[in-house]
Amino acid sequence: EVQLVESGGGLVQPGGSLRLSCAASGFTSSNYWMSWVRQAPGKGLEWVANIKGDGSEKYYGDSVKGRFTISRDNAKNSLYLQMNSLRAEDTAVYYCARDNIAVAVGRLDYFDDWGQGTLVTVSS
Amino acid sequence: DIVMTQSPDSLAVSLGERATINCKSSQSVLYSSNNKNYLTWYQQKPGQPPKLLIYWASTRESGVPDRFSGSGSGTDFTLTISSLQAEDVAVYYCQQFRAFGQGTKVEIK
Repeated sequence: EVQLVESGGGLVQPGGSLRLSCAASGFTSSNYWMSWVRQAPGKGLEWVANIKGDGSEKYYGDSVKGRFTISRDNAKNSLYLQMNSLRAEDTAVYYCARDNIAVAVGRLDYFDDWGQGTLVTVSS
Repeated sequence: DIVMTQSPDSLAVSLGERATINCKSSQSVLYSSNNKNYLTWYQQKPGQPPKLLIYWASTRESGVPDRFSGSGSGTDFTLTISSLQAEDVAVYYCQQFRAFGQGTKVEIK
């Protein structure tokens, strides 16, 4: 059974930093692209970033580019999101998700498994 | 950038009645090389993460009840719940590539 468990959320002041982790189990994580998707309180879903199975490719949403860094450690079956220069609008539940890639077109298709999420609150 | 627009934002349906949610993409999601529409639907219940319901516009994920169906092609898609059950109360999202629709809240009338 696939399991994704996020951790590292909490309260941080504007301008501060936080590192989120996602522990994966039940599958060979190095074979999969992985994403972070966030959801502000009472709002919809926003894709944040994703990373290829071997870590060689990374992509970011415009709202976090230059501030957030996605990484992974396949030996630990873990995914990370380093968040710097945090803003109030980064307040959200952050989900770790497993990407299903559309092989025929070479890009993200859908997210087939999700963690329970970890809440990040940016406030003074 | 791709923009996904859902309608309506919310709807209230009586138990056992049909619920219909629409999703429109700003660009076609149909790939002619394999004739697949890369459009996905998720269900999110309060306090839970999204759950994969339907992918490739009309393929139900394993374990999803057959009262859920997806249709459409190109830029216009529909999620239909043929006979609404109490456990279907949720917000439903469409997604294409990295873009999500704004969500449609389904409630009991």
